[in-house]
Amino acid sequence: SYVLTQPPSVSVAPGQTARITCGGNNIGSKSVHWYQQKPGQAPVLVVYDDSDRPSGIPERFSGSNSGNTATLTISRVEAGDEADYYCQVWDSSSDRNVFGTGTKVTVL
Amino acid sequence: QVQLQESGPGLVKPSETLSLTCAVSGYSISSGYYWGWIRQPPGKGLEWIGSIYHSGSTYYNPSLKSRVTISVDTSKNQFSLKLSSVTAADTAVYYCARLSGVAAAVYFQHWGQGTLVTVSS
Repeated sequence: SYVLTQPPSVSVAPGQTARITCGGNNIGSKSVHWYQQKPGQAPVLVVYDDSDRPSGIPERFSGSNSGNTATLTISRVEAGDEADYYCQVWDSSSDRNVFGTGTKVTVL
Repeated sequence: QVQLQESGPGLVKPSETLSLTCAVSGYSISSGYYWGWIRQPPGKGLEWIGSIYHSGSTYYNPSLKSRVTISVDTSKNQFSLKLSSVTAADTAVYYCARLSGVAAAVYFQHWGQGTLVTVSS
């Protein structure tokens, strides 16, 4: 089955840039979506189709996808960005949605 | 604005069937889109359970397929999840969601608040 691997944690100082990776076999050929989940809350879509943002999501959130790695970039990190982040794709070979292992972003 | 609300028992006994319903407001299920269930065990990551189209077409996670049934009731504008033969490993927060996108680029755009289901005798 298709596996998406994320680093367990990323730490970043306020105002700096956080980069969260999502690794998968030839993930560049798939559409990658990203979710932010704060404690006790449902996930929120922050990036879809590799690099598009839903309405209401700050431009500080951006995405890219190439080769075997997709990346969610959070620029000018704020304390409110502290959360768990998950990537997600549709695996056509097995007809299933797959979520990444999740990354906890800590703002120092 | 689409809103989703999960409901169902918060406690289920081992070997029994977990049943949850997701009530949708602000959008008619019969108008389209896929609708899905996702779960999250305490302290762990997200796991997709399955999705259903308004016509009744379904996709299930192969790891759960033998125990899962997702159905839709367009007259009540809701869809449901049944998970049979539950064990403690099925203890999780269960979310319902509306999917958007097309073909192999679907994503979960709108989420319910989630409901905790504990499997215990």
